[in-house]
Amino acid sequence: DQQVKQNSPSLSVQEGRISILNCDYTNSMFDYFLWYKKYPAEGPTFLISISSIKDKNEDGRFTVFLNKSAKHLSLHIVPSQPGDSAVYFCAASGPGNQFYFGTGTSLTVIP
Amino acid sequence: DSGVTQTPKHLITATGQRVTLRCSPRSGDLSVYWYQQSLDQGLQFLIQYYNGEERAKGNILERFSAQQFPDLHSELNLSSLELGDSALYFCASSGEPGAFIDSPLHFGNGTRLTVT
Repeated sequence: DQQVKQNSPSLSVQEGRISILNCDYTNSMFDYFLWYKKYPAEGPTFLISISSIKDKNEDGRFTVFLNKSAKHLSLHIVPSQPGDSAVYFCAASGPGNQFYFGTGTSLTVIP
Repeated sequence: DSGVTQTPKHLITATGQRVTLRCSPRSGDLSVYWYQQSLDQGLQFLIQYYNGEERAKGNILERFSAQQFPDLHSELNLSSLELGDSALYFCASSGEPGAFIDSPLHFGNGTRLTVT
């Protein structure tokens, strides 16, 4: 049972434009949400997170939005750069501190 | 560098064999998690340890086992290996979340297991 879903396996964006990656979850007990970036042959790298008490968190070019009523979060990257090309995983955590991951979205930023 | 170290990087073995994957968490992190990533799949949670004790189990097969030692390093043991066990195995560690502090997972670079 996939509690965290990323329905878009891939996304292509022009350099300089905005990239929007989406993620849905089903468990209302989740209270901590994260985005990870993964390059081939490397482990996932923590990018940005948001607590359920907030609806937005920003770090440089990266912004995560959380819509608790819709059980939806998104990652915005502005402006997108070729070096952002990677697989992005969203994750969620709740009581017990277990982390559930989506299946990933492969982002390609076209120069 | 996440500070999480996994060895070996690559492992090639035959069906029916047993292997051990090793993980050293980031300094100060008490929790260790193991994940499996098969081809084109997401990260499947296997098991979590906290300060030497098993805390949670996910989709871990009975042929697989893990432990966390007093020095906090962890080992994942995979036995009676099958072709379908070929995957990337990631270890991650985290600190203990406090009342107002969340603690993300930090991943190692994984062990690529190939069963032939």
